[in-house]
Amino acid sequence: DTAVSQTPKYLVTQMGNDKSIKCEQNLGHDTMYWYKQDSKKFLKIMFSYNNKELIINETVPNRFSPKSPDKAHLNLHINSLELGDSAVYFCASSQDGTRLYNEQFFGPGTRLTVL
Amino acid sequence: GNSVTQMEGPVTLSEEAFLTINCTYTATGYPSLFWYVQYPGEGLQLLLKATKADDKGSNKGFEATYRKETTSFHLEKGSVQVSDSAVYFCALRRGTALIFGKGTTLSVSS
Repeated sequence: DTAVSQTPKYLVTQMGNDKSIKCEQNLGHDTMYWYKQDSKKFLKIMFSYNNKELIINETVPNRFSPKSPDKAHLNLHINSLELGDSAVYFCASSQDGTRLYNEQFFGPGTRLTVL
Repeated sequence: GNSVTQMEGPVTLSEEAFLTINCTYTATGYPSLFWYVQYPGEGLQLLLKATKADDKGSNKGFEATYRKETTSFHLEKGSVQVSDSAVYFCALRRGTALIFGKGTTLSVSS
C-alpha cells in the first residue's frame, strides 16, 4: 500500500500553461505539505495544511495555489508556468504537524519540466 | 534564522569504509533533528532522528548524536555498502515544516 502518492510522476509542459499535481495520503494524518526540490537537490517547504487549513505559506508566487478538498488530499495548482518552475515537487504528510518529533512521510515526487 | 549546513559532496567511498557526513545547525531553542535519505529516483525516507540534546538516533547501521554544545548532528556509519549510495539530507523542525540542508551525495563502489 502506498502511503503518500502523487500523480503524475512526470509532467512536461509549455511555458504559460496551467497544471495540477495531486497528492493523497492513506495514513490518516492531519498535516500535509508541499516541498520543492531544485536542480541542485535543495529542498524547500512551500505550503503546509493542517486539517484542510493553510498553516504555512512560504514566499511562493501567487501562481501556486494549494487546494485541500479533504484531510487526505492536498493538490497543487500552478498557473502560467515559467521555466524556473521546473523542479521536483514532493508531497509529505505527518500525524500531527504541531509535534516537533513527528516523522514526515514523503511521496515519490513529481518531476515538472517547463519548456 | 534557522538553517542547516551540510558538508559539500559528493562523497566517494569504497565498500566497508567509514562514513561521516557533517551537519551543523543554527536555531532558536532546541529543535528536533533528522537525517533523511533519498535513493535514486525515489522520495525521501526518514533515516533517523533525535529530539533533545545527547539523544542518539540510529537505524540500519547509521548513527547521529544531537550535540547541543557544538550544534551538530553528524551522520556516521562504520562500514558502508554499495546499497547506501544515495543523497543524505540533514534537517531540523521549524514549527510544522522541515528545514533541510543542501544534501550530500554518497557514492559507494565495490
